[in-house]
Amino acid sequence: AQSVTQPDIHITVSEGASLELRCNYSYGATPYLFWYVQSPGQGLQLLLKYFSGDTLVQGIKGFEAEFKRSQSSFNLRKPSVHWSDAAEYFCAVGSNQGGKLIFGQGTELSVKP
Amino acid sequence: DARVTQTPRHKVTEMGQEVTMRCQPILGHNTVFWYRQTMMQGLELLAYFRNRAPLDDSGMPKDRFSAEMPDATLATLKIQPSEPRDSAVYFCASGQPFLTSDGYTFGSGTRLTVV
Repeated sequence: AQSVTQPDIHITVSEGASLELRCNYSYGATPYLFWYVQSPGQGLQLLLKYFSGDTLVQGIKGFEAEFKRSQSSFNLRKPSVHWSDAAEYFCAVGSNQGGKLIFGQGTELSVKP
Repeated sequence: DARVTQTPRHKVTEMGQEVTMRCQPILGHNTVFWYRQTMMQGLELLAYFRNRAPLDDSGMPKDRFSAEMPDATLATLKIQPSEPRDSAVYFCASGQPFLTSDGYTFGSGTRLTVV
């Protein structure tokens, strides 16, 4: 069965520091992978996605993610975090049968001054 | 930017009452999802549609929940009768699965409180 694991429930980083949010997936075929961000009281906004090709994908707001098939991982990174990045981040895997999205439990990011 | 519109944004109702949540997907998107978000369970897929036909509603309690797409511009999620454990934020999302660069677009959600 498809599943997504985000090992870190909550992460705190200092403003200006680098960030890496972890995501591991379980999927039998080549996965479609996504990162979404959710600000309080808002819906989910797509940050970036991986379908195929280059394993390092660039997204909005300065985020990037790297697909590593050997590790079944799709970690999200940002070189320098801004206070406005404080939010909850969700990793998701998409099934190519039906197209449904399965989400991880989310990682809440706090940014300290 | 095109957006998915959900109404109402907030709903407070008494246990036993019927609740209907509505979603207007983005024009041209052929896939519509309903998700429920709670602190304990995170984001759960309740049901989804392709070209207005239900593809999978296995995540939905069948005895009280129903989801429909009466036309391409409207998806509804109904709970009857509602219970306090249904309190959650319900999200609708639409898209063209993996065929475009847009991914899936989420609405702002309906925050349901059942007292």
